Amino acid sequence: EAGVTQSPRYAVLQEGQAVSFWCDPISGHDTLYWYQQPRDQGPQLLVYFRDEAVIDNSQLPSDRFSAVRPKGTNSTLKIQSAKQGDTATYLCASSRDRVYEQYFGPGTRLTVL
Amino acid sequence: GQQVQQSPASLVLQEGENAELQCNFSTSLNSMQWFYQRPGGSLVSLFYNPSGTKHSGRLTSTTVIKERRSSLHISSSQTTDSGTYLCALYSNYQLIWGSGTKLIIKP
Repeated sequence: EAGVTQSPRYAVLQEGQAVSFWCDPISGHDTLYWYQQPRDQGPQLLVYFRDEAVIDNSQLPSDRFSAVRPKGTNSTLKIQSAKQGDTATYLCASSRDRVYEQYFGPGTRLTVL
Repeated sequence: GQQVQQSPASLVLQEGENAELQCNFSTSLNSMQWFYQRPGGSLVSLFYNPSGTKHSGRLTSTTVIKERRSSLHISSSQTTDSGTYLCALYSNYQLIWGSGTKLIIKP
């Protein structure tokens, strides 16, 4: 069984640029999570989906961040007008519906200069 | 207060020594998970352990639901075990993270 895949693995931007991250969850996993992990800190949940529906996006900075999962499979997280404070690793995880265990992808390491 | 407390915050050992990491929860436990991460590295799941004891090589995880705690034991530590160990609590299918234990194994 293939794991959670993410791309790109690394991104370096200037402030004000936009960037998109892509996540392909494990096949059959209904629930998909996006986390932000600043250096030397634990992950913070940004948003999660069950199928194509957003279940919780209360921690997503809505003015510049957006996330979609249009067909309930792959997902895209986008940052418009990146700031230096967005420098972090962005992690995607997936799980089966109503099952706790989450499986994490390798992450996308973002540096905003 | 913090729902997930990890201890110690940091631990330095000589290669070959055993390590004991603790995670205490202030809320009732649906389930929990242990992770390992090297600086700049990916998050690696070590154990998904809702209750009881699980083994994987030199690693052992024990979760005691009634006492709201979980431990991670590393036997005969190696320099490659160095890194940060994170525990996380499942609450309503969301993960609540501890602040991590930074483990350094000296040769």
